[in-house]
Amino acid sequence: ELKVEQNPLFLSMQEGKNYTIYCNYSTTSDRLYWYRQDPGKSLESLFVLLSNGAVKQEGRLMASLDTKARLSTLHITAAVHDLSATYFCAVGPSNSNYQLIWGAGTKLIIKP
Amino acid sequence: DAGVIQSPRHEVTEMGQEVTLRCKPISGHNSLFWYRQTMMRGLELLIYFNNNVPIDDSGMPEDRFSAKMPNASFSTLKIQPSEPRDSAVYFCASSRDRLFTEAFFGQGTRLTVV
Repeated sequence: ELKVEQNPLFLSMQEGKNYTIYCNYSTTSDRLYWYRQDPGKSLESLFVLLSNGAVKQEGRLMASLDTKARLSTLHITAAVHDLSATYFCAVGPSNSNYQLIWGAGTKLIIKP
Repeated sequence: DAGVIQSPRHEVTEMGQEVTLRCKPISGHNSLFWYRQTMMRGLELLIYFNNNVPIDDSGMPEDRFSAKMPNASFSTLKIQPSEPRDSAVYFCASSRDRLFTEAFFGQGTRLTVV
């Protein structure tokens, strides 16, 4: 069974701290996506990682992909309140060029 | 571009009624996806269109669900008859390609069936 597991599923942290969200998956893949969703809102694309070792950064967020370990991380540096949201990873199985398997999401609350 | 446009944003209907959700993808995008989001099951792909042709509808839960894409700028998802367990947020997403590398989601339609 294809599985994408995110952890933690819930994270409450203080502003200014660093933390990492993990995304493990059970299938071979060469595509991994990170999305952000604010409560009651749509999903916003953050990063698309297409190769082993890929690293992308935008502001205080940095995503990386290790296809051999089947692991992606989303690292938050010096968190600020505006980053409070739910973060999803999604994996594109190698045997499908349009299907995505979504993680359950990590709800991140950043306290002032 | 205004992005992916969905309507209505909210829909409350009685069990047994027909519901039609609408989506206008981003111009130039050839792939369109309908997703359903619930707390219990997360995000599920319902159907995928490429160049207006349904490619994979294996995620459509039952025959009560149907989707069409009559042209490149419009798609509908219909539920007939609706049931309370259909209550969810339905998202439409469009992409330049089937790999979802430049994909954008609409604002979603929150459906409540009472």
